[in-house]
This record gives sequence, structure tokens and C-alpha cells, in this order.
Amino acid sequence: GENVEQHPSTLSVQEGDSAVIKCTYSDSASNYFPWYKQELGKRPQLIIDIRSNVGEKKDQRIAVTLNKTAKHFSLHITETQPEDSAVYFCAAGYSTLTFGKGTMLLVSP
Amino acid sequence: DTAVSQTPKYLVTQMGNDKSIKCEQNLGHDTMYWYKQDSKKFLKIMFSYNNKELIINETVPNRFSPKSPDKAHLNLHINSLELGDSAVYFCASSQAQLAGPYNEQFFGPGTRLTVL
Repeated sequence: GENVEQHPSTLSVQEGDSAVIKCTYSDSASNYFPWYKQELGKRPQLIIDIRSNVGEKKDQRIAVTLNKTAKHFSLHITETQPEDSAVYFCAAGYSTLTFGKGTMLLVSP
Repeated sequence: DTAVSQTPKYLVTQMGNDKSIKCEQNLGHDTMYWYKQDSKKFLKIMFSYNNKELIINETVPNRFSPKSPDKAHLNLHINSLELGDSAVYFCASSQAQLAGPYNEQFFGPGTRLTVL
């Protein structure tokens, strides 16, 4: 089955800095790579996703890159704000999703 | 106009009891899921149903039994609850299975289960 590794487990940045979270996956059949944001006590919510036929996707301050050859994908958040503080999950899959273990991002004012 | 709803939000019970968690989605989705999120925030899929049929059953004790009366509902029944079952359980739904064009999974608000 699929195995998704996510790093770092915690990330502290100053407001305005950029944050990068990296994930690797093992199953070359995976073709869908979403990122979810989970605020404390809330449900995970999709913030951006990418499919295997695309190398990069951007939505305002967030972007995701995918390297299928190396089997890794990354989330980039620019100009971070305190409200970006949350746990971020990457996931990968074909017929089901396997989630990474999450990254707790803390943005300090 | 809640998309995916779960009841109850909190569930506190004694070891050995049997309990159920209900999930409903009004998005018209074909596929529904149950996830378990433990104290370390690890999100792990338990079951997936497509049009009322079980399509994924991960390594979950058979004390856990999902039931889908129709494609808008996926309930989770747990027998003989154990301390290790304490977690947050999330229901989710998507338009189709992951390989299809509509993949986003919408999560319910979660049910925090505490077994004493």
C-alpha cells in the first residue's frame, strides 16, 4: 500500500516569512495529491490539490509542486499570517487517500 | 445547509459498552468514508463505501462495523469499546472514488469518543 512521509512535524515561522512542508510517497500509481488544513478542534479542510499530470499549482499565497519521478510534493505558503497557524496534512492516492502525519505550523506575529 | 454532519459531537462511555456514530451528507456524493484521528493527530482511513457498498476495509478490529442504509448515510457501530478506541472519528464524502474527476473529500465536524 501507499506510504506517505511528511516533514517537518512542527514548523515555527515569523509572520511574513515563507513556510515549506514536504511529503514523499511510495506508490507510483498515486495520481492525486491534496493538502488539508486542520485548525484546532476543527475538521480537515482542503486548501489545494494537484494531479499527476501537473507539476505546479498556485492559489494566491499557497502553491504546491509535484515531482513524480522523485515521488515527492511540497506545499509552499508565502507571506504567512497568524491565521495560517494550523496542522497541515498532505495525502496521496489513487483509489483511496493515505495521509501524512501532519505538520503543526505556528506563525508568530 | 451543513454538507457533512455527524452525531454526536462528543461521546463519553465506559469500556465494554456498544456505541454508534451517525453520519449524513447532503452533497449527493457517491462515496463516504470513516477516518480515525488519534491523540497524535494521525489521520487514518478505516472504511470506504461507494453507493452503499463496502470498497475499503483497512485493518480495523471487527468490533467496528459500518452500515450504509443509503448513499447519503454511513453509520459506525462499535462493540465492546476499549480504552484504545478513544479518538476523534471523522466521516467524509466525495463525489466519486479517487480515480474519478471529482476527488475532494469533505469532512464532517468529527466525533470525539472518550472511553473510560
